[in-house]
Amino acid sequence: GQNIDQPTEMTATEGAIVQINCTYQTSGFNGLFWYQQHAGEAPTFLSYNVLDGLEEKGRFSSFLSRSKGYSYLLLKELQMKDSASYLCAFNTGGFKTIFGAGTRLFVKA
Amino acid sequence: DGGITQSPKYLFRKEGQNVTLSCEQNLNHDAMYWYRQDPGQGLRLIYYSQIVNDFQKGDIAEGYSVSREKKESFPLTVTSAQKNPTAFYLCASSIGLAGADGELFFGEGSRLTVL
Repeated sequence: GQNIDQPTEMTATEGAIVQINCTYQTSGFNGLFWYQQHAGEAPTFLSYNVLDGLEEKGRFSSFLSRSKGYSYLLLKELQMKDSASYLCAFNTGGFKTIFGAGTRLFVKA
Repeated sequence: DGGITQSPKYLFRKEGQNVTLSCEQNLNHDAMYWYRQDPGQGLRLIYYSQIVNDFQKGDIAEGYSVSREKKESFPLTVTSAQKNPTAFYLCASSIGLAGADGELFFGEGSRLTVL
């Protein structure tokens, strides 16, 4: 079967670093995505990993280990505006993208 | 500037009524999608379309219908046959097939409430 898991909620302090983990199981894999979604708004693309390793993009980095079915999103120098849900998703090939339920991140002052 | 426009943003429906959610994109993307988002669950695919006049069922197509008469437009009709239609509906597009050719671009969403 196919499934994807990520923590429901996390809380972190402004200026700190937070790591959001995601594990998945699938027979077909064509890349892993992270999206950010503020409440009541559209998800927006953050990162895409298709090979193992770390991809860095400013304050955001994403890591993938295909053999372990594991990814994480690392957010550095947290800002209040980073309070949002973070959706982990993988593509199985073709049209199908499987989304996790999302991790709600609360950034406190 | 380019993007995806969904309307209406909020919609209330009485039981037994059909409603149509609009989705228009000016990104010149071939592929378009409709997802449903419920609290505590991941986005679930309702329908997708790779090209004009062609569309395919996703994982939860029952009680929904779509059309793709123009490249820019992919409206979703929520019929009275959908047993639990209250949800947040997201329209998306991609250059090619999502994942294979890049990320999904999402509209702002339509929140449907059945009274």
